Amino acid sequence: QVQLKESGPGLVQPSQTLSLTCTVSGFSLTSNSVHWVRQPPGKGLEWVGAIWSGGSTDYNSALKSRLSISRDTSKSQVFLKMNSLQTEDTAIYFCTKGPRWGQGVMVTVSS
Amino acid sequence: DIVMTQTPSSQAVSAGEKVTMSCKSSQSLLYNENKKNYLAWYQQKPGQSPKLLIYWASTRESGVPDRFIGSGSGTDFTLTISSVQAEDLAVYYCQQYYNLWTFGGGTKLELK
Repeated sequence: QVQLKESGPGLVQPSQTLSLTCTVSGFSLTSNSVHWVRQPPGKGLEWVGAIWSGGSTDYNSALKSRLSISRDTSKSQVFLKMNSLQTEDTAIYFCTKGPRWGQGVMVTVSS
Repeated sequence: DIVMTQTPSSQAVSAGEKVTMSCKSSQSLLYNENKKNYLAWYQQKPGQSPKLLIYWASTRESGVPDRFIGSGSGTDFTLTISSVQAEDLAVYYCQQYYNLWTFGGGTKLELK
């Protein structure tokens, strides 16, 4: 069945770069898109960006200058990289394929 | 960017009550080519990932109870819970997928 699982560091220092991995199973990245969504503690959902089946990407306009999403189809993995992190980037980061979501990974930006 | 506005932000309900919540988009989500509204509703409980309830504005996801009813078209949408159950206490988000994705701010259902 379709599954997604996020992984990455729980703590990142301000101004550093966040690197997250979404490992998927049960579907092909070359036929499906994967999105990243984040949720600051106690707040709502914010779409971060997506990588489409053809490999092209789209990003939240507010984050675009700091964001990169890529993939390794042979490993069924999608990667998120966000630089110049600030405390307001503290959030749970989810990867999702429409109806199916990963469990999320909590990222705290703090020194 | 399409902006999604949900009202109310929170609502106190009693079990068995009928509940409605609103979602408005800053531009039409109706794609004329296929006459579909690119609008979904999600339910999120504390500590859990969002769960898809409704897509195409009114189509229930498999396994979702029929007390959840999505309606609306264009820029105005409604999620109705015909008879609220205790397990429905959660935050509900609308989401547009007409142009990339945007989520509304959420409506939190609380116990009266």
